[in-house]
Amino acid sequence: GIQVEQSPPDLILQEGANSTLRCNFSDSVNNLQWFHQNPWGQLINLFYIPSGTKQNGRLSATTVATERYSLLYISSSQTTDSGVYFCADNFGNEKLTFGTGTRLTIIP
Amino acid sequence: DVKVTQSSRYLVKRTGEKVFLECVQDMDHENMFWYRQDPGLGLRLIYFSYDVKMKEKGDIPEGYSVSREKKERFSLILESASTNQTSMYLCASSLIGDGGTQYFGPGTRLLVL
Repeated sequence: GIQVEQSPPDLILQEGANSTLRCNFSDSVNNLQWFHQNPWGQLINLFYIPSGTKQNGRLSATTVATERYSLLYISSSQTTDSGVYFCADNFGNEKLTFGTGTRLTIIP
Repeated sequence: DVKVTQSSRYLVKRTGEKVFLECVQDMDHENMFWYRQDPGLGLRLIYFSYDVKMKEKGDIPEGYSVSREKKERFSLILESASTNQTSMYLCASSLIGDGGTQYFGPGTRLLVL
């Protein structure tokens, strides 16, 4: 089946630091999305980014579809950024395939 | 704003009980999904529905059934709960043709004793 790998699996940073999360796909990217799951379990849509670069405040994402990867950048981290970050793609159908996630912990 | 709600945030049931988890969305989305999330295993699709009374099995349907009698409501049923069904259950919805963008409810943490 299609593989979606995320790295690193865990990341611990001091408040104010920058971070880069990576998502690699074994198949062509179609409709890549990034989600943040907060410590209470709620999954929140961050970006819909099948290709190119988007920015939203301190967060930005870049997808290089031809090379089957996407990056999520978080600048000037805050404690509220803690949680698990997932990438996912639907690979042309209505169902999403999720990566295994990156757990980010921001220490004050 | 898309809103997806789930009937309970926390639920404790006993082995063998019948359990209903309800999900409601208010954006007229055709697709609705049930996932379970376990540590180290990520999100796994149990069932999804693309229309009223229509359903398809996901990756781990065993031990579960679903019901979609109205477009806005999608129910997950555990006919006879077992301890290995202790998990976080997440519901999502999406619009057909919207690039697969899914919107999630807050989740239900189910403990089966």
